[in-house]
Amino acid sequence: AQSVTQLDSQVPVFEEAPVELRCNYSSSVSVYLFWYVQYPNQGLQLLLKYLSGSTLVKSINGFEAEFNKSQTSFHLRKPSVHISDTAEYFCAVNYGGSQGNLIFGKGTKLSVKP
Amino acid sequence: GAVVSQHPSWVICKSGTSVKIECRSLDFQATTMFWYRQFPKQSLMLMATSNEGSKATYEQGVEKDKFLINHASLTLSTLTVTSAHPEDSSFYICSAPRTSIPDTQYFGPGTRLTVL
Repeated sequence: AQSVTQLDSQVPVFEEAPVELRCNYSSSVSVYLFWYVQYPNQGLQLLLKYLSGSTLVKSINGFEAEFNKSQTSFHLRKPSVHISDTAEYFCAVNYGGSQGNLIFGKGTKLSVKP
Repeated sequence: GAVVSQHPSWVICKSGTSVKIECRSLDFQATTMFWYRQFPKQSLMLMATSNEGSKATYEQGVEKDKFLINHASLTLSTLTVTSAHPEDSSFYICSAPRTSIPDTQYFGPGTRLTVL
């Protein structure tokens, strides 16, 4: 069955430290990969996505993720986090179906401490 | 600012009653909207696809008669949980794709339903 695994439910880090949030998906011929962020009391917002082309994608606020087909991974990284990055992050995969067929991971709660 | 709203943000009801949740696209038209359900510490699970002017498409295992979906206009979809029971308590989230921005869904803030 198609699935998305986020291994870490919570990741506490200190401000200005680097962070990696892991995401693995079950293998498929073609996938579209997404990271969504949910700030407290807000809806999910698209952070970045991989559809095709360059395997390294970046967001406007310093996050990046790399599509690794051989490892079926799409880990999210940031070299230096801010307090404002505290949120829950969801990895999602579209296995080539309609846009609505997003399969989500369970989410990783990132807590950035001063 | 928010482009998809949900109302109410939370609701508590008695077992056996029905609850309606609204999902609105605020500054764009959405012929399609999606309804997800999220249990604590679990993934979002797609329940159904709401289609303006036609019947909703339900995912396998989702009861059509239990979760009534109406997409009455290009900016409004409603999910009605009929004869709610405690096991229906969950976080319900809607989303709408914006055709002008490919492959992007905009999510509502969610509705917390608690059935006593």
